Amino acid sequence: AQTVTQSQPEMSVQEAETVTLSCTYDTSESDYYLFWYKQPPSRQMILVIRQEAYKQQNATENRFSVNFQKAAKSFSLKISDSQLGDAAMYFCAYPTGQGAQKLVFGQGTRLTINP
Amino acid sequence: EAGVAQSPRYKIIEKRQSVAFWCNPISGHATLYWYQQILGQGPKLLIQFQNNGVVDDSQLPKDRFSAERLKGVDSTLKIQPAKLEDSAVYLCASSRGGYYGYTFGSGTRLTVV
Repeated sequence: AQTVTQSQPEMSVQEAETVTLSCTYDTSESDYYLFWYKQPPSRQMILVIRQEAYKQQNATENRFSVNFQKAAKSFSLKISDSQLGDAAMYFCAYPTGQGAQKLVFGQGTRLTINP
Repeated sequence: EAGVAQSPRYKIIEKRQSVAFWCNPISGHATLYWYQQILGQGPKLLIQFQNNGVVDDSQLPKDRFSAERLKGVDSTLKIQPAKLEDSAVYLCASSRGGYYGYTFGSGTRLTVV
């Protein structure tokens, strides 16, 4: 069964500094997508960034970037210039199942931003 | 584009009572999902619809949970009878697939007492 593992239940960072959240996954497929979602206290899951496995270039969205290492099955999220609004639960997710349409989530990392 | 709508936002019921949640996906999204998120955990898929049909309900406790998606649009998820361990956030999501990921609603927080 495909699994997604986030080994850091909690992380904290000073405002304006950089933090990296870890994620590893297990798959036998060669072409797939990976996602990071943010879940603030409002509970709505918000897509932060996505990575296509066939692309060697790491995805970047403003202050958010990933370090994708396909051979190691690692997909970490780097948040630069952390802001108070970045405080939330962060989930790594991988689509599997029929047509790769079923998202499997990791356990999540709670990120705290210290002012 | 309007987001995924869910209601109610909160619900408190006693064990053995029944409850229903409603979801309206993004227009044109053929695939709809219901996830259960227990406090401190990642979401777990309960059921996946493709238009009117069920694609995956392998983790739906069918003795107490049921779901339907009429006319391939709105969906309802029902629990009857509820147990204490059903206390969770129930998230609805819709997707146009693959690269685009999912769009989630704000969820319903269910407390069973």
